[in-house]
Amino acid sequence: DAKTTQPTSMDCAEGRAANLPCNHSTISGNEYVYWYRQIHSQGPQYIIHGLKNNETNEMASLIITEDRKSSTLILPHATLRDTAVYYCIVRVPKKLGNEKLTFGTGTRLTIIP
Amino acid sequence: GAVVSQHPSRVICKSGTSVKIECRSLDFQATTMFWYRQFPKQSLMLMATSNEGSKATYEQGVEKDKFLINHASLTLSTLTVTSAHPEDSSFYICSAPGTLSADTQYFGPGTRLTVL
Repeated sequence: DAKTTQPTSMDCAEGRAANLPCNHSTISGNEYVYWYRQIHSQGPQYIIHGLKNNETNEMASLIITEDRKSSTLILPHATLRDTAVYYCIVRVPKKLGNEKLTFGTGTRLTIIP
Repeated sequence: GAVVSQHPSRVICKSGTSVKIECRSLDFQATTMFWYRQFPKQSLMLMATSNEGSKATYEQGVEKDKFLINHASLTLSTLTVTSAHPEDSSFYICSAPGTLSADTQYFGPGTRLTVL
């Protein structure tokens, strides 16, 4: 699985859009970009994933650059409950068996009131 | 969405005792489950892959005789920390791939183990 680079920490004002970057310059053609987050003392939570097209769901939007070497997770209207560590993971989706995830250090996002 | 539960959520035990942690998929079946460990201010580290009806696969450096994994049914995997020591104190988290989308993982809420 390709390696990712994320900023260690970020702050964002409540109500504003939080933009979390991720670099994955060694991504291969069949690897997807996944985002998970972990609120303090809880298990991680899936947010969104994509291959090359931008994706949006009820939680967030994912913008992937045309060369796929970087991406941005966007939380459109951040709330205090969005304070968490956000993990960007690049991997080939596996349909059967070995779907294990390798977590990096992630970005600690703090939403400021 | 799919739900994974863990029991207990917190456990305190004495050094030398064994502790069992349960991981259940509540509304779906999981032939595979994953066990992670997370120390304070660190990321999750995969310990082992639990396979229903067969032996677990352990990551390098994880002692299989110390961390016993049993996946006896399609909805339950257990992790037993044997002869626990203070350095085993950690946050243990399980996960299972969702059946609707095998691309994503559903995580349990975690178990905080403190060994005195």
